[in-house]
Amino acid sequence: DAGVTQSPTHLIKTRGQQVTLRCSPKSGHDTVSWYQQALGQGPQFIFQYYEEEERQRGNFPDRFSGHQFPNYSSELNVNALLLGDSALYLCASSPDRGSYNEQFFGPGTRLTVL
Amino acid sequence: KQEVTQIPAALSVPEGENLVLNCSFTDSAIYNLQWFRQDPGKGLTSLLLIQSSQREQTSGRLNASLDKSSGRSTLYIAASQPGDSATYLCAVAGSNYQLIWGAGTKLIIKP
Repeated sequence: DAGVTQSPTHLIKTRGQQVTLRCSPKSGHDTVSWYQQALGQGPQFIFQYYEEEERQRGNFPDRFSGHQFPNYSSELNVNALLLGDSALYLCASSPDRGSYNEQFFGPGTRLTVL
Repeated sequence: KQEVTQIPAALSVPEGENLVLNCSFTDSAIYNLQWFRQDPGKGLTSLLLIQSSQREQTSGRLNASLDKSSGRSTLYIAASQPGDSATYLCAVAGSNYQLIWGAGTKLIIKP
């Protein structure tokens, strides 16, 4: 089992550009959550996808959008990048079995906006 | 609104010491609490998960306790080693599918 994988590992963009980050969940998991972690802080919840729909969203602007595919993999898209979007973006997967389940995290994508 | 606080923000101790990291949360209506480890520039490694009905969980030299009524959890590390140096984060899960995180405790174990 490869666990949760994310691509790319690192990314450098300039202000105003758009970026797409990708996540493949752990085998057997159907729920994907995305988090943003700024330097020196704990992660902040962006949104969660289940059955190809956004189930819950944190306090992030509409510039942040996502998608989940039939194979449960997911993308995070960020438009009109700002310097403040520079962060480690973490993807987590979990099985959906009624009550809340343990989330497993990928290695993250380090986004730098210049 | 759930808020999670970790104290201390940083801790430096000699190798071999037993130590305790603290995590407090404001809303006791949680499903579970997880402790994670994060090495510099890396992702998160889950250490222990405590369900709301449990009082503690153990894995090797790690023991985590949970007191929902007081909104507190502790992570106990026995016989610390230099390889334990990392940032330790706690996160609580509520009914809205989100994990709410503390800012972490940066731990340095001196050889």
